[in-house]
Amino acid sequence: DAKTTQPPSMDCAEGRAANLPCNHSTISGNEYVYWYRQIHSQGPQYIIHGLKNNETNEMASLIITEDRKSSTLILPHATLRDTAVYYCIVRLNSGGYQKVTFGTGTKLQVIP
Amino acid sequence: DSGVTQTPKHLITATGQRVTLRCSPRSGDLSVYWYQQSLDQGLQFLIQYYNGEERAKGNILERFSAQQFPDLHSELNLSSLELGDSALYFCASSVSSEGSGANVLTFGAGSRLTVL
Repeated sequence: DAKTTQPPSMDCAEGRAANLPCNHSTISGNEYVYWYRQIHSQGPQYIIHGLKNNETNEMASLIITEDRKSSTLILPHATLRDTAVYYCIVRLNSGGYQKVTFGTGTKLQVIP
Repeated sequence: DSGVTQTPKHLITATGQRVTLRCSPRSGDLSVYWYQQSLDQGLQFLIQYYNGEERAKGNILERFSAQQFPDLHSELNLSSLELGDSALYFCASSVSSEGSGANVLTFGAGSRLTVL
């Protein structure tokens, strides 16, 4: 059921930007891209979402390609507390009558 | 505190037993989702309820069942437990109504089930 593809793991030096890619080549026109992260065994935490425009909030930036087949989550200045598994999912933004499936995500290790 | 409350936090039981996990969604959220996460695995979608009705179903075992009550809290019942059912069980809630804007899932802290 997974509709996204992410690299299994990535490393990033503390203080540098972490760029996490996600492929979602089968995304439909009314589906949004959402990013969540899970720190250790805590409940996943929402980060950001977008439809086709680039988005930025206090946590991260989301860059979506023009054809919407891929996106990149950017953590501008990674800290050790950003070490987590990052999940990219696609879903409708209303109704919610669909399986919300998480893949295996990208395990980001921030290195001191 | 995310606003989604799950109880119990930890539960240890024996094979063949039955347990009930409870979830209280965030205030105002109508939709509840259940996920299973085994050790070092991803989040497996089990089932979703919206305002008391089942809306989407994942690979939920027949030994598992769930419901959402009129006050919107939800319970996940796991029966005839097996060793492989040991996992973290997460509940999430969202608004899930038309025109509601962002359909963000808010997760609880999870219930850790250990089957011995």
